[in-house]
Amino acid sequence: AQKVTQAQTEISVVEKEDVTLDCVYETRDTTYYLFWYKQPPSGELVFLIRRNSFDEQNEISGRYSWNFQKSTSSFNFTITASQVVDSAVYFCALRRYQGGSEKLVFGKGTKLTVNP
Amino acid sequence: EPEVTQTPSHQVTQMGQEVILRCVPISNHLYFYWYRQILGQKVEFLVSFYNNEISEKSEIFDDQFSVERPDGSNFTLKIRSTKLEDSAMYFCASSVGQTGEQFFGPGTRLTVL
Repeated sequence: AQKVTQAQTEISVVEKEDVTLDCVYETRDTTYYLFWYKQPPSGELVFLIRRNSFDEQNEISGRYSWNFQKSTSSFNFTITASQVVDSAVYFCALRRYQGGSEKLVFGKGTKLTVNP
Repeated sequence: EPEVTQTPSHQVTQMGQEVILRCVPISNHLYFYWYRQILGQKVEFLVSFYNNEISEKSEIFDDQFSVERPDGSNFTLKIRSTKLEDSAMYFCASSVGQTGEQFFGPGTRLTVL
């Protein structure tokens, strides 16, 4: 069975602080995809990143960076110099690489509040 | 930039009534999905659809639910006899291929009274 755990329910930081959102996953598959989505207060789900399990290179996109550690089954997300507009619920998700199942399995999300 | 659209944004219905939620996926996408999110909870998979048939469904997707692609652009979710516990945000998503990233619509908030 596949499972995603986001242990941090809520995080509150002050603007310009760095913040890391944790994601731990469980899967029996040897290859899989990991995702992060952002859900701002308006409610839509915004795709942020997709990673293949066989590509452990960390990725940086502007103020966002992702640290994938297959050895610890973690895919953590760091926002550098946080801004008020980063306030949202962030979801980590897991999906099989191939073999019939296309569904995304989401964690419960981490609500990030960035205060001015 | 192409996006998934959903209508209506908010639907209020009485328990036992039928509702149809509508989605227009991104035009060159071939895989379509419905997810739901009960208020304050995680997003849960309902069903995936490809080549005019269901490819996978969750245990939530019981006989009260059905999906259809009535024409070349729309993708619908029907709930035949709504229950109070069907109140949730329903998200439609689409992807180019089976392993591509899924792009989500803005959601339809369904309230069952």
